[in-house]
Amino acid sequence: NAGVTQTPKFQVLKTGQSMTLQCAQDMNHNSMYWYRQDPGMGLRLIYYSASEGTTDKGEVPNGYNVSRLNKREFSLRLESAAPSQTSVYFCASKVERGGGTEAFFGQGTRLTVV
Amino acid sequence: AQSVTQLDSQVPVFEEAPVELRCNYSSSVSVYLFWYVQYPNQGLQLLLKYLSGSTLVKGINGFEAEFNKSQTSFHLRKPSVHISDTAEYFCAVSDYNQGGKLIFGQGTELSVKP
Repeated sequence: NAGVTQTPKFQVLKTGQSMTLQCAQDMNHNSMYWYRQDPGMGLRLIYYSASEGTTDKGEVPNGYNVSRLNKREFSLRLESAAPSQTSVYFCASKVERGGGTEAFFGQGTRLTVV
Repeated sequence: AQSVTQLDSQVPVFEEAPVELRCNYSSSVSVYLFWYVQYPNQGLQLLLKYLSGSTLVKGINGFEAEFNKSQTSFHLRKPSVHISDTAEYFCAVSDYNQGGKLIFGQGTELSVKP
């Protein structure tokens, strides 16, 4: 049982380059999330998807786009990377849209933009 | 919008000493509260959660937390810490009225010294 799988684990981009971070979960969860983690700022929600076919902005959506490809997969795209997007990105999923269930996290993608 | 404040960014303690990590959240009627732990270079895993019922919640690894509605707090405690408890700890809140989004505090780095 893999849980939540993120690829790649590490990436270095030049300013202006684009890339897509992939996330897949095998727990049949409805809700999926993308967070970024920066020192002293905790995890900040970028985008989330309450169910297949829906996506919504979180706290820090600027510079990102997402696609909920199917129930399993939720990708995060940087169209034109900027140094301010250097961060560790985490994907998470949980069973339902409601608040009381546990979120499961991937191992993270460490992105550096130079 | 819901918010979470972790009052201490770093907490150094000696092994076998007690520890308390503080967390306050903005007031809301229907919130669920969580503590997650992140070991170095890993994703987050759930320590414990409060949904309803008893205000004292017990989690894994000997941790417990107390929900205090009047003070809007959810402080994490352990009576005797081990070196292996060295990690970053995140308090999080989920508000059912906001679609169950999980909002995190800034994190507290617990450093246990021999």
